Order: sequence, then C-alpha cells, then structure tokens
Amino acid sequence: SQTIHQWPATLVQPVGSPLSLECTVEGTSNPNLYWYRQAAGRGLQLLFYSVGIGQISSEVPQNLSASRPQDRQFILSSKKLLLSDSGFYLCAWSWDRGVNQPQHFGDGTRLSIL
Amino acid sequence: KQEVTQIPAALSVPEGENLVLNCSFTDSAIYNLQWFRQDPGKGLTSLLLIQSSQREQTSGRLNASLDKSSGRSTLYIAASQPGDSATYLCAVEGFTGNQFYFGTGTSLTVIP
Repeated sequence: SQTIHQWPATLVQPVGSPLSLECTVEGTSNPNLYWYRQAAGRGLQLLFYSVGIGQISSEVPQNLSASRPQDRQFILSSKKLLLSDSGFYLCAWSWDRGVNQPQHFGDGTRLSIL
Repeated sequence: KQEVTQIPAALSVPEGENLVLNCSFTDSAIYNLQWFRQDPGKGLTSLLLIQSSQREQTSGRLNASLDKSSGRSTLYIAASQPGDSATYLCAVEGFTGNQFYFGTGTSLTVIP
C-alpha cells in the first residue's frame, strides 16, 4: 500500500529565517506530487505540483519554492520567511494516470512565524 | 476562475440523524469532484470521487451526487455517528490539468 510522510509536524520559525519542509511517498513510483497551504478560515490553496523529477509548476507567485530531487521526494523551501507564510502545509500525491485520480494527503505541517 | 462554496460552514446534529452537506462550483468544466474529511490538525482523507460523467458514488453510509450542469454536489451521510464529526471539504479538478479547487469546508458535529 502507499503511504505519504511529512515532517516536521509542527514548526515555529522567526521572520526572515529559512524553511525546508519535506514530503516522501512510499509504495508507488512516478506519482504526481502537490504542496498546498491551508490558512485559517480559507480553503486549500495549491502552491506547487510536480509530474516528475525536476519538474515543478508554480500556481501562486510567492517567496516559496519547491524541488523534487528524487522520484518520491518533494521539498518546500523558502530563503526568508514572512509573517504571511504561517499556515498548515499539506503534501499530497496522486497516480500518474491522467485525470480522475484521487488525491491522498499527508498529515501536514503546522508552521507558525513569529 | 473556478470558485467552490460550501454551505453551511458549520452544522450540529444529534446522533442517528441523516444529513446533507452541500458544495457548489461556478465553472462546470470539470473532470471530477472529490469529497474529503479532515480531522482537527490532520491531513485530508479522500472519501469519494465522482467523475464528471457520473451522477453519484456510494461508500458505506456515504452517498455523493453530482449535477455538473447546475454546479452542485451533495454529500449524504446516513445514520450519523459521533465519529463522523470532522470538517468535510469538496474539491473539483479543472480542465487545465492538475488544477484542484477546494471549498472552505463544513464543520460537522454529531452530538451523542
């Protein structure tokens, strides 16, 4: 079976500090991978998605970036965090079989910026 | 741009009651609609996915319907239980590929 792992579960960072959140998927190959942000009282916002190693598409311009150094590893980064980066970050995967593939989510990372 | 709305934002029902959650979307050009459950502080769990060519999907006590032309979907939960308490979100997949639009969810509380 497939599993998805995110870490850390919670993170408290000062403004201006760097960020690295990691997501890995097990039990599948060449998945589509996604990073979402869920802010309080708002729906999930798709930040990045990837259909393969080194292939990153950005949906929202911001000070965040994503990388996919390995097939089942997806990393969300920032060089300098802003207060507005606070939120709940979720990683998800889906089968690389075209459309109509359900998304499966990790347990998320709660990021608080001080 | 696709907008997904879920009403009500919160719902409280006594145990055993049947209930309906609503989801509406503005652009009918979708591949599918997916319902999720989110427990506090946790990620999303996929419940049901309805393809655009389908009218409904069922899983246990859950039944989801889709009326693409009117831009609406409902999630029916039969014989609700306290363990059903969670936030329920719907999401549509747009035609541009890898575009998923989420509603803000309905927070459900089932009272024992």
